[in-house]
Amino acid sequence: AIRMTQSPSSFSASTGDRVTITCRASQGISSYLAWYQQKPGKAPKLLIYAASTLQSGVPSRFSGSGSGTDFTLTISCLQSEDFATYYCQQYYSYPQTFGQGTKLEIK
Amino acid sequence: QVQLQESGPGLVKPSQTLSLTCTVSGGSISSGGYYWSWIRQHPGKGLEWIGYIYYSGSTYYNPSLKSRVTISVDTSKNQFSLKLSSVTAADTAVYYCAGGTGPPDYWGQGTLVTVSS
Repeated sequence: AIRMTQSPSSFSASTGDRVTITCRASQGISSYLAWYQQKPGKAPKLLIYAASTLQSGVPSRFSGSGSGTDFTLTISCLQSEDFATYYCQQYYSYPQTFGQGTKLEIK
Repeated sequence: QVQLQESGPGLVKPSQTLSLTCTVSGGSISSGGYYWSWIRQHPGKGLEWIGYIYYSGSTYYNPSLKSRVTISVDTSKNQFSLKLSSVTAADTAVYYCAGGTGPPDYWGQGTLVTVSS
């Protein structure tokens, strides 16, 4: 199975900050990469697919980039509702696999 | 808007079979191109993909669980189901059903299943 590694595992930031989360695949996955946001007690919410395509209804402050093995999720101006855990997922091959998550906390 | 809802027992005894059903509303489970998946999340941990059933009926299971997993579909009820046999405490998790044409973009709210005697 393809291993997905996110960094950092957690960090603190303030509203208005620009933050970047990285995700690395253990082998090339082209652009078959999705990003999810999960809040406590809730199901994950799809933010981005195909590495950089914003899911309908997701604010434009979220953006994704990368291809091959290295990917990033950027939130350009943090809002209070963005404090959550973020997961990357590869859907290039089965089994689909997720990163371990990045918990974004309020500083 | 497609909505998914999991249902099933919240408590299962060790060595028994975990059975969950996902009811799809707002759309047909037979819609072309949709993968209907089960994903679980151990308490306080990350996400683990269990397997999917394609709208055509074909399935794929995570090799780590393959010997114990069966996913089936009932198009007449617009439902798909998960069976996980020989459960242990390690199978205690929140189980999500999800669907999409690529990465899942429709998710159920999740249901906690505890394995305990």
